[in-house]
Amino acid sequence: QVQLVESGGGLVKPGGSLRLSCAASGFTFSDYYMSWIRQAPGKGLEWVSYISSSGSTIYYADSVKGRFTISRDNAKNSLYLQMNSLRAEDTAVYYCARVLAYCGGDCYSGPADYWGQGTLVTVSS
Amino acid sequence: EIVLTQSPGTLSLSPGERATLSCRASQSVSSSYLAWYQQKPGQAPRLLIYGASSRATGIPDRFSGSGSGTDFTLTISRLEPEDFAVYYCQQYGSSLTFGPGTKVDIK
Repeated sequence: QVQLVESGGGLVKPGGSLRLSCAASGFTFSDYYMSWIRQAPGKGLEWVSYISSSGSTIYYADSVKGRFTISRDNAKNSLYLQMNSLRAEDTAVYYCARVLAYCGGDCYSGPADYWGQGTLVTVSS
Repeated sequence: EIVLTQSPGTLSLSPGERATLSCRASQSVSSSYLAWYQQKPGQAPRLLIYGASSRATGIPDRFSGSGSGTDFTLTISRLEPEDFAVYYCQQYGSSLTFGPGTKVDIK
């Protein structure tokens, strides 16, 4: 069965950095787009970033562009999110999610069909 | 950016009743690229519907989605106790945005 397990969350000071990891199993990781989606405490969902199956296509929300970097290692079935210059408003549970891509001329991220349980990132002094 | 508005904010119903949730987009969602998710407290969201009306794997047929353009609906035909949760719509036709959610609670 599909499993996604996040790690790397924790407490960090404003301006600090953190690297999240997601270990995937139960499916052919290299065939799928993957995403990070976050949820601030008591709030709704925000799509942070996605990466295509090969890593050649990447999307970032405007709120994290230039500060966060998504990457993947298909040999290790792993997804990563490097978060730099963290702000208080980045405090959230970060979910790793498998994505269904859809393709016209190019391919884009569709909905997230499997999610991990999330890892909490708290940015506070 | 396409902004999604969900209504009502909270829906109070009894088990066995029909639930109708609305999601309205600020501009047309191309090719009905709209999904619905369910989230229970302390859990990750679960995909229910994609492409406006296609049920995801393992989703009971009491859940149905409809709509196109700017107006979409999630219908739960008969509420089961496990259906009381928060429901989010999400569009993926132009960038990726979520609605603010509708909470379905027990009356």
